[in-house]
Order: sequence, then C-alpha cells, then structure tokens
Amino acid sequence: KAGVTQTPRYLIKTRGQQVTLSCSPISGHRSVSWYQQTPGQGLQFLFEYFSETQRNKGNFPGRFSGRQFSNSRSEMNVSTLELGDSALYLCASSPVAAADTQYFGPGTRLTVL
Amino acid sequence: GNSVTQMEGPVTLSEEAFLTINCTYTATGYPSLFWYVQYPGEGLQLLLKATKADDKGSNKGFEATYRKETTSFHLEKGSVQVSDSAVYFCALRTQTGANNLFFGTGTRLTVIP
Repeated sequence: KAGVTQTPRYLIKTRGQQVTLSCSPISGHRSVSWYQQTPGQGLQFLFEYFSETQRNKGNFPGRFSGRQFSNSRSEMNVSTLELGDSALYLCASSPVAAADTQYFGPGTRLTVL
Repeated sequence: GNSVTQMEGPVTLSEEAFLTINCTYTATGYPSLFWYVQYPGEGLQLLLKATKADDKGSNKGFEATYRKETTSFHLEKGSVQVSDSAVYFCALRTQTGANNLFFGTGTRLTVIP
C-alpha cells in the first residue's frame, strides 16, 4: 500500500497570503489528523477529521482550518499568514477513529517571509 | 492536563553503547503511550507502543515499559548503531477516543562509529 502523501513538500509564502496544504491518507483510512512542528513549540495537534467531520481541534486560531473529502483526502488552509506559521506540517492517517497507530506523511515545509 | 516530559538532548553515543531516553507523562485515566522516530527530512515513524500498564513495547531492539506507578515510558536499547541516529519523540493518546497525540519535545540521538 502506498503511504500517506502530502503535497506540496515545500512552500514559500509571504505574510498576509493564504496557503492550502493537501494530504492523501493510506487507502482505506478514514481518519486524518494534522500537526504543526516548530523548533520552539515542538509537535502540536491542529485537528482531526473522520468521515468528513471535524472530530477534534487543537488550540490554534481560526486562521487554521481544514476539511475532508468523501475519498478521505484532506486539506488544511492557513489564512493571513504570519511569520510564526513557518513550520513543518504533518498529516497522519489511521483506519478508524481512536486507533492506536497513526501513519505519518513526510510533511509540508512552509516558510513565511 | 495532558503532557509529556522528555529527556533533553542532544545525546551522543558511541556505536554499541547502551541507550536510555527518559519519558514521563501526565494524563487522566489510562493513556496509550508511544515512541516515534524521525529521520532527517522525513515524517514520523511509529517505533513502539504500549496501551496498558506493565505492557512492554518492542521493535528493532528498542524497548519501553509502561509504568503507571511512576508515570514513565523510558526508551532503551542495548546496543545502538549509527543508523539509529534520529530524533525520538515520546507521545501519549488519551482514552477519550480522539486521535490527537500529545508529544514530548524530542531527543536528538547521534551515534558515532
């Protein structure tokens, strides 16, 4: 089976712009979670989608949003980018909700100038 | 709240040395505990897990035992190799049924020949 794929792998944006990141989970997986990884804050949970519904949300401002499509692919959007949004954004999928094993993609490296 | 405290790095060891990376947690109830590994330029890979007290997770020579009395999940390996050089993250998932993981800050391990 193919693993979790994320596109694009690298992005450079400027402050004030918006960005959309994409995640394709492993075939058959219905849960997709997003995480932000920065040197200062480490790995922090953004949100989780299951069957097109947001099940859980971390402590991030409303500029961070996401959605999931009927084929389980997920997108996250960040509006009005700030310098502090520069990070590695990781997507993880699992076959069901509350699964003990999540499979991570390689991440999208976002740089905000 | 839920949190994971992990041994500060970086850790530098000679090949075949013994490795311990300490991890303690705070959580309500009975969380599941994980060790993830991140190789340079890659996403996270699940290394091992334990879902209840006294369980021992093991994989690729690494081991960790879920100790509820000390709220710990220390990672050990008897003889490290150069290929083990990576960043190691301890994480927990609560019982609530959500898929969000709480991560420690990560410990960078460098193994020198």
